[in-house]
Amino acid sequence: NAGVMQNPRHLVRRRGQEARLRCSPMKGHSHVYWYRQLPEEGLKFMVYLQKENIIDESGMPKERFSAEFPKEGPSILRIQQVVRGDSAAYFCASSPSSGRNTGELFFGEGSRLTVL
Amino acid sequence: AQTVTQSQPEMSVQEAETVTLSCTYDTSENNYYLFWYKQPPSRQMILVIRQEAYKQQNATENRFSVNFQKAAKSFSLKISDSQLGDTAMYFCALAGNTPLVFGKGTRLSVIA
Repeated sequence: NAGVMQNPRHLVRRRGQEARLRCSPMKGHSHVYWYRQLPEEGLKFMVYLQKENIIDESGMPKERFSAEFPKEGPSILRIQQVVRGDSAAYFCASSPSSGRNTGELFFGEGSRLTVL
Repeated sequence: AQTVTQSQPEMSVQEAETVTLSCTYDTSENNYYLFWYKQPPSRQMILVIRQEAYKQQNATENRFSVNFQKAAKSFSLKISDSQLGDTAMYFCALAGNTPLVFGKGTRLSVIA
């Protein structure tokens, strides 16, 4: 049973370009979470999605960032017009049901975005 | 708002010795879960141990155990018989009716 799969593992973009990060949850999991980790920091919640629905985007910057989890295919975190401050590791996690109360999330290996 | 505080940015321990990592938290909820995650240099987040707040008994997983003090809102992690492979960042995390909240982490180095 494959774990949470994220790609690309490493992505380099120039300022102003777009970044797309993909996440395939574990088989049977319908809940996806995106977290961002800045250097030497803990993980900060960004967004929580179920299939075709955004449940909680309270941690998502209001501009340039968007996320989706379509009926078919992986969840995608999209960052438009990237700036150097977007350089970070972006982690996806999944859970079989609402992980909000049990908290147990299964994490991918992360996607490291570097903005030049 | 839920917060998690880890007051030890870095710690080191001799191989085979015991080390305790501290964590305090704040929440207004009665039902919540506490976790310790390990992040080795590979950056994968690995669940180490989990504690339900309604359980008084401290959770234990092999060499890892917690000291959960609910009234004090404290949740420390004890690693016994430390091994070189325990070298990693350790994150304390809290989950209730909001998504998982992490502390800033403690970098643990196990020295041979």
